[in-house]
Amino acid sequence: DTGVSQDPRHKITKRGQNVTFRCDPISEHNRLYWYRQTLGQGPEFLTYFQNEAQLEKSRLLSDRFSAERPKGSFSTLEIQRTEQGDSAMYLCASSPRGMGNIQYFGAGTRLSVL
Amino acid sequence: KQEVTQIPAALSVPEGENLVLNCSFTDSAIYNLQWFRQDPGKGLTSLLLIQSSQREQTSGRLNASLDKSSGRSTLYIAASQPGDSATYLCAVWDTNAGKSTFGDGTTLTVKP
Repeated sequence: DTGVSQDPRHKITKRGQNVTFRCDPISEHNRLYWYRQTLGQGPEFLTYFQNEAQLEKSRLLSDRFSAERPKGSFSTLEIQRTEQGDSAMYLCASSPRGMGNIQYFGAGTRLSVL
Repeated sequence: KQEVTQIPAALSVPEGENLVLNCSFTDSAIYNLQWFRQDPGKGLTSLLLIQSSQREQTSGRLNASLDKSSGRSTLYIAASQPGDSATYLCAVWDTNAGKSTFGDGTTLTVKP
């Protein structure tokens, strides 16, 4: 069991560029979650998947954000036309089936938009 | 809208002291409550999960309680150690909203 893996760990981009992050959940975990965290704040829910279905999406997400989980395995989070306000830590978590929705987190991807 | 509050925002104690961290939430329609630990610049480490039907969970020196009716949870840390220094976060899975809501955490410093 290698844990939740996120790639890249750090991303620096210029305003207006598109970025994509990848999350590999723990093997056989059917639920996958994305959060955003800024300094001094708790993680903020963005979206979650059960298998390949996206079940919930925060209204905080503008249409510049999109997430996919093809085949119910890894997931990608894309941010289009990045803005300085998108600078944050993006966290991914996964949950196994039948374990009460316990969430296990990856180390996160830190995004800096210049 | 679910709101989760953690008080105090920061806490400093001498090594060996027993301590309690607090978490309160406004909507009692929760599926579970989970406590996490976060070290600076790192991801979250799960500490304890309490289902809505449970009153407490224990793991080693940690004990978490849940009182749904009053919208409160506490995390008790016994015999604190410098290695316990971190930010502690609580999160509730909101049954109505179908998502997790986190508090902003309590940053704990345990002095040797």
